[in-house]
Amino acid sequence: AQRVTQPEKLLSVFKGAPVELKCNYSYSGSPELFWYVQYSRQRLQLLLRHISRESIKGFTADLNKGETSFHLKKPFAQEEDSAMYYCALGQCLGGFKTIFGAGTRLFVKA
Amino acid sequence: KAGVTQTPRYLIKTRGQQVTLSCSPISGHRSVSWYQQTPGQGLQFLFEYFSETQRNKGNFPGRFSGRQFSNSRSEMNVSTLELGDSALYLCASSLTGGLDTQYFGPGTRLTVL
Repeated sequence: AQRVTQPEKLLSVFKGAPVELKCNYSYSGSPELFWYVQYSRQRLQLLLRHISRESIKGFTADLNKGETSFHLKKPFAQEEDSAMYYCALGQCLGGFKTIFGAGTRLFVKA
Repeated sequence: KAGVTQTPRYLIKTRGQQVTLSCSPISGHRSVSWYQQTPGQGLQFLFEYFSETQRNKGNFPGRFSGRQFSNSRSEMNVSTLELGDSALYLCASSLTGGLDTQYFGPGTRLTVL
């Protein structure tokens, strides 16, 4: 079955420290992976998607098909990065839909 | 462009009642997806509509239904409400669906008493 796993519900780091939010997926096809973010009192919005290979707000994510992972990384966390982060898998098998992980709350301390 | 709008923003119903939620997508977007968000289950896919046709459905009972109109606006309906239906219902629009980036609305918070 297709699944997205984010093992950490909460991640707390100090400002300036590196951040890695973990995401693992299971999917038998060719995956399309996304990271969505929800800042306090704002809507869920796209942060980045693997196909575009962009770096958004200093965040990057590399698809590792061997480890079926798509971890989100940032070398130096900022307080404004505090938010809820969702890893998502876009799938085509049996009809298009997006499967979301449970989310990781990132808290960046001053 | 105006973002995705959802009405109403908050709703309180009692068990056994039915409810209809509305979603207006970004102009030009033809695909609308609906999700249920709860603290325990996270974001669960309900269904997706494109050009007035339901293309995909998640693993929810038949009490959950939806439709899309010719202007791409979408509604979802939940009949015979249960306590467990209390959740934030999110809709998201995209140009053509599939693997497009989705743009989310603010959600409708449904409380079932």
